[in-house]
Amino acid sequence: GAVVSQHPSWVICKSGTSVKIECRSLDFQATTMFWYRQFPKQSLMLMATSNEGSKATYEQGVEKDKFLINHASLTLSTLTVTSAHPEDSSFYICSAASGTASRYFGPGTRLTVT
Amino acid sequence: AQTVTQSQPEMSVQEAETVTLSCTYDTSESDYYLFWYKQPPSRQMILVIRQEAYKQQNATENRFSVNFQKAAKSFSLKISDSQLGDAAMYFCAYRGNAGNMLTFGGGTRLMVKP
Repeated sequence: GAVVSQHPSWVICKSGTSVKIECRSLDFQATTMFWYRQFPKQSLMLMATSNEGSKATYEQGVEKDKFLINHASLTLSTLTVTSAHPEDSSFYICSAASGTASRYFGPGTRLTVT
Repeated sequence: AQTVTQSQPEMSVQEAETVTLSCTYDTSESDYYLFWYKQPPSRQMILVIRQEAYKQQNATENRFSVNFQKAAKSFSLKISDSQLGDAAMYFCAYRGNAGNMLTFGGGTRLMVKP
């Protein structure tokens, strides 16, 4: 099956700094990428949907100025958490899709803000 | 808006036995897709099985099968001959025919007893 990678797998940053998470589709072109957030023992919550070359569409309640999403190519999307705070600590998962085909998930990134 | 409900936060099954995980959903659409995803401790989301709403036949993948009741908006997952490696969080998910995003249920933690 298709492979989606995320980098880094785990990042620790200090409060007030920004951190960038990369999501890559390794063997297919992802026209759409999705970013999810998952708190411990909870389900995946969709944060935003991004189409290549377009601005991301954010879900209600997600601050677009805090969670910057860029989908500059068909194989790369990035999520930047700006001015991170401890409450932003979470597990972030990306998912990539080609057309209306199946979704492929990355392995996730654990963000810890101290 | 579509909603997906998993009423069992936790389930337990004896190794080699059969277990059924429940999922109900709410939608006004007639064409859509339903999925079961497995999230093991590694937190990598793995597609277990997929069902197209227009298909009356229940999907089957080896030991995994579904009971899709469209009128009742029910989509349960049956795991036969449970194995220790089946222990994980299981998420039911919905996607509309024209839509891109997945809506997840709250998840069911499955424990497998040796």
